[in-house]
Amino acid sequence: DGGITQSPKYLFRKEGQNVTLSCEQNLNHDAMYWYRQDPGQGLRLIYYSQIVNDFQKGDIAEGYSVSREKKESFPLTVTSAQKNPTAFYLCASSKEGFGQPQHFGDGTRLSIL
Amino acid sequence: AQTVTQSQPEMSVQEAETVTLSCTYDTSESNYYLFWYKQPPSRQMILVIRQEAYKQQNATENRFSVNFQKAAKSFSLKISDSQLGDTAMYFCAHYSGGGADGLTFGKGTHLIIQP
Repeated sequence: DGGITQSPKYLFRKEGQNVTLSCEQNLNHDAMYWYRQDPGQGLRLIYYSQIVNDFQKGDIAEGYSVSREKKESFPLTVTSAQKNPTAFYLCASSKEGFGQPQHFGDGTRLSIL
Repeated sequence: AQTVTQSQPEMSVQEAETVTLSCTYDTSESNYYLFWYKQPPSRQMILVIRQEAYKQQNATENRFSVNFQKAAKSFSLKISDSQLGDTAMYFCAHYSGGGADGLTFGKGTHLIIQP
């Protein structure tokens, strides 16, 4: 079955450490997205990518980095510059085209040790 | 910048009742899409329904329908014959493309269906 796989499901970060969240999709979607969800909040856009080797900052990109070397993969790195990284992170993808619905993975919960 | 407002943090209804969740939005774009997503306790985001701003006809998906009032910038979700499995967070979202290509979400409404 086609879908979006995020790993790991739970991740713990030590102070000063960078961590990378994985997102893989086999839907043959061109666009991929990373969102952050905090308690009592909606999702906020971190980064998005419409094509391979190109990505754009979203509303809260500071302290995060991404790469898009393959169409299927869009990993997110939470750097030590992100001072409040504890949150639920969701990856999404969509077909090319205006207004195409985004399909989401199951998320990664990141916590600080 | 687009904003999405959901004014009902939590709602509770009895099973089989009809419930309406409110959403208002603000945008300067002429063409856009609006979405409702459901997030059950598993936390997966599931698309419920999508509406294109240029279409006057309200979208429907089985027991789910919307009341789209473009002039009022209102996009409410109606759930008919509610079921226990409808218990979830519901998020309204806006998409207009352009410089920010992701979705803009509201803060959500926690819907509880009571047996």
